[in-house]
Amino acid sequence: GQQVMQIPQYQHVQEGEDFTTYCNSSTTLSNIQWYKQRPGGHPVFLIQLVKSGEVKKQKRLTFQFGEAKKNSSLHITATQTTDVGTYFCAGHPMDSSYKLIFGSGTRLLVRP
Amino acid sequence: NAGVTQTPKFRILKIGQSMTLQCAQDMNHNYMYWYRQDPGMGLKLIYYSVGAGITDKGEVPNGYNVSRSTTEYFPLRLELAAPSQTSVYFCASSAGGHTGELFFGEGSRLTVL
Repeated sequence: GQQVMQIPQYQHVQEGEDFTTYCNSSTTLSNIQWYKQRPGGHPVFLIQLVKSGEVKKQKRLTFQFGEAKKNSSLHITATQTTDVGTYFCAGHPMDSSYKLIFGSGTRLLVRP
Repeated sequence: NAGVTQTPKFRILKIGQSMTLQCAQDMNHNYMYWYRQDPGMGLKLIYYSVGAGITDKGEVPNGYNVSRSTTEYFPLRLELAAPSQTSVYFCASSAGGHTGELFFGEGSRLTVL
């Protein structure tokens, strides 16, 4: 079946350092979404990328969708303690417009 | 704005018991989903629905059943609970299958002893 993997599983950074998480799908995706889940909370939508090679920015967050539409990345510049949480990518497989398959997530811890 | 409402928030079940997790959304979304999240892990799709009367299996449907008689409600039924079903269950809804963001409920934490 389709799998979406994320690396690293955990990342512990000093406040002010940058952070990147990578997402890789075993199959081509029609789009990719990113979610953030605070400890003890529920996932909250951050952004969606649809086009091959697309790059979007939200303040200190930069999202990329690969040319082959099988991988994506999230980069946070100058992390803050408010960035703490688990970041998930999620994608719709090309052969199913309904299923949204989540990656395994990257847990970010920020030392003040 | 209620959004997606899940009940109960917490539940302890004995092995072999059955229960229903309730999910309601007031956004008139056609698409609804049930995910489970084991400790420290990602979300696994259990079942989903693209509209009233239509449901389909996700990645991990065994041991669960769903129904979708109305647009608003999408209950998840656990039959013969097993310890492997100890997890946090999230219900979510979306306006569109291909492009819609998912709105999640706050989750239902289930423990099977």
